[in-house]
Amino acid sequence: EAGVVQSPRYKIIEKKQPVAFWCNPISGHNTLYWYLQNLGQGPELLIRYENEEAVDDSQLPKDRFSAERLKGVDSTLKIQPAELGDSAVYLCASSLEGTSTDTQYFGPGTRLTVL
Amino acid sequence: AQKVTQAQTEISVVEKEDVTLDCVYETRDTTYYLFWYKQPPSGELVFLIRRNSFDEQNEISGRYSWNFQKSTSSFNFTITASQVVDSAVYFCALSEVNSGNTPLVFGKGTRLSVIA
Repeated sequence: EAGVVQSPRYKIIEKKQPVAFWCNPISGHNTLYWYLQNLGQGPELLIRYENEEAVDDSQLPKDRFSAERLKGVDSTLKIQPAELGDSAVYLCASSLEGTSTDTQYFGPGTRLTVL
Repeated sequence: AQKVTQAQTEISVVEKEDVTLDCVYETRDTTYYLFWYKQPPSGELVFLIRRNSFDEQNEISGRYSWNFQKSTSSFNFTITASQVVDSAVYFCALSEVNSGNTPLVFGKGTRLSVIA
């Protein structure tokens, strides 16, 4: 069974440019998560989707970040415009359901460098 | 609020040594889940174990073992006879149940280096 797929794996852009990350969760997983991982830190939740609905986006900086999961399967996270402080790893995870008891499975992440 | 502390930032051991990674958590919830993940240099977080707050039995899986003690709010992870392939960053995480669908909260991780 394929795991969580993310692309690109690496992205280097100049500040003020837009950037987008793509994630395809494990087949059959209803819940999808986007996390931000800064260097030397654990992942922090940005947004959680249950099917196509964003049920927790309280930590998403909405002035420059946006996300969508239109058909309840794959998802895109966008930053526009990117700032130097956005350099980090963006991780996508999925779980069968969205309960606290459910195990989340992670993709390899996208490492973003903003110059 | 929930919190996970991994006091060991980096640990270095020689191959075949045993090593224990510490995890201390804080929660007001009576029902919660604890997790350990491994993050190798490739970047992907690999799920290792999930344990609920009502199950204090220690668990062993091959060279890995976990010691859950509610009295000290700890969920420590031991690797026996470490190998170079164990080199990675290990994260402990906590999820509360009765407080609603709270996010999974991670510690800052412990970087383990196993030297041949």
